[in-house]
Amino acid sequence: QVQLRESGPGLVKPSETLSLTCAVSGGFVSNGIYYWSWLRQPPGKGLEWIGYIYYSRSTSYSPSLKSRVTISADTSRNQLSLKLSSVTAADTAVYYCARGVDVVARGAFDILGQGTVVIVSS
Amino acid sequence: DIVMTQSPDSLAVFLGERATINCRSSQSIFSSNNRNYLAWYQQRPGQPPKLLIYWASTRESGVPDRFSGSGSGTDFTLTISSLQAEDVAIYYCQQYSTTPWTFGQGTRVEIK
Repeated sequence: QVQLRESGPGLVKPSETLSLTCAVSGGFVSNGIYYWSWLRQPPGKGLEWIGYIYYSRSTSYSPSLKSRVTISADTSRNQLSLKLSSVTAADTAVYYCARGVDVVARGAFDILGQGTVVIVSS
Repeated sequence: DIVMTQSPDSLAVFLGERATINCRSSQSIFSSNNRNYLAWYQQRPGQPPKLLIYWASTRESGVPDRFSGSGSGTDFTLTISSLQAEDVAIYYCQQYSTTPWTFGQGTRVEIK
């Protein structure tokens, strides 16, 4: 059974870069069947898709974040990473990594991590 | 971006009664492969979202059959046929037809 676990600093200063990792167990990030996404959810608000990575190298990002976001995969550690630069208070959220159902239903997320809280504050 | 709009924002239903949530997309999410790129999620407090339905009507493995999805094109519905206490949650629809993949604002379901 595939499991995802996000981790990273819970507190980031404004203008700095947020860096998170997602450890994947029970499966491989290099598996060509699945797309791996990052989502976020500000406190008390709805869900926002940030971007995905496929086959450890092909990426797509939300246009609203594209200039600040990088998603990558480390196949040797079997983990995903998210970097978001120049953060502001608006980036305060719970961040989730997620797996798409399959290549076709790549944007329907059947497995999500528990999420990690990131607060942007000085 | 495709805008997803859910209605109502919240609803209260008696235990055992039917709950219906609507979702409308700003453009069609029906594809040439004869599928609607629409998913439904349940999010309980303090928990990550849980996939209930994808392809608008395909129930995810392990999801009780009281949950069903319907609709096509731009108008979709999630139905809980007989509300149980554990169904208290926020429900989200999501389109995955076109990036950026987008979610509805959520519908809160409570017990009356």
